[in-house]
Amino acid sequence: DTEVTQTPKHLVMGMTNKKSLKCEQHMGHRAMYWYKQKAKKPPELMFVYSYEKLSINESVPSRFSPECPNSSLLNLHLHALQPEDSALYLCASSPLDRMDYGYTFGSGTRLTVV
Amino acid sequence: GQQVMQIPQYQHVQEGEDFTTYCNSSTTLSNIQWYKQRPGGHPVFLIQLVKSGEVKKQKRLTFQFGEAKKNSSLHITATQTTDVGTYFCAGPEAAGNKLTFGGGTRVLVKP
Repeated sequence: DTEVTQTPKHLVMGMTNKKSLKCEQHMGHRAMYWYKQKAKKPPELMFVYSYEKLSINESVPSRFSPECPNSSLLNLHLHALQPEDSALYLCASSPLDRMDYGYTFGSGTRLTVV
Repeated sequence: GQQVMQIPQYQHVQEGEDFTTYCNSSTTLSNIQWYKQRPGGHPVFLIQLVKSGEVKKQKRLTFQFGEAKKNSSLHITATQTTDVGTYFCAGPEAAGNKLTFGGGTRVLVKP
């Protein structure tokens, strides 16, 4: 399995809703990432997990709450989002012991906040 | 913090022609990675360059890492419609497992 699987693919949520994005990989990668991408912009890093521990939080608002239950799963819990949070949310993974390996991205969750 | 810039932002290419996109970092990089994102898709890893002056080829794509390891280029020969998409370069920050993406070059191909 050489894929990163993200669910759901599309999500529309109200500003008072609570929802979760899910990400799964079975490549044995010990680093997992959440990126946010707005239209016509590059991906922006949100969080990094290394060996299931949060290692980088790019000053993301607390309405975004990441969770890494095990080495294969990564969640992003959403609560009280704003319309400007509408974006493509990308999960990625990479090995931590190989220098010649890039990131493997999932196909993303396209989030619309109404 | 580290900044990675790409030019041009947009590239309109006639099918069959060549073009080059350039990537410049504000800091020396340990390596540079290139990704391609098709319209409506997600970034897909193309290649990583590590050594100063390194040149790597993938079919019609030629990637180069500058001698000072602060710039890189992607040259595509005989552009095809399948080359449409946005090409991002990305460099790791010195501390931590953090990859910073350039702004991307959006490539449109005229048949």
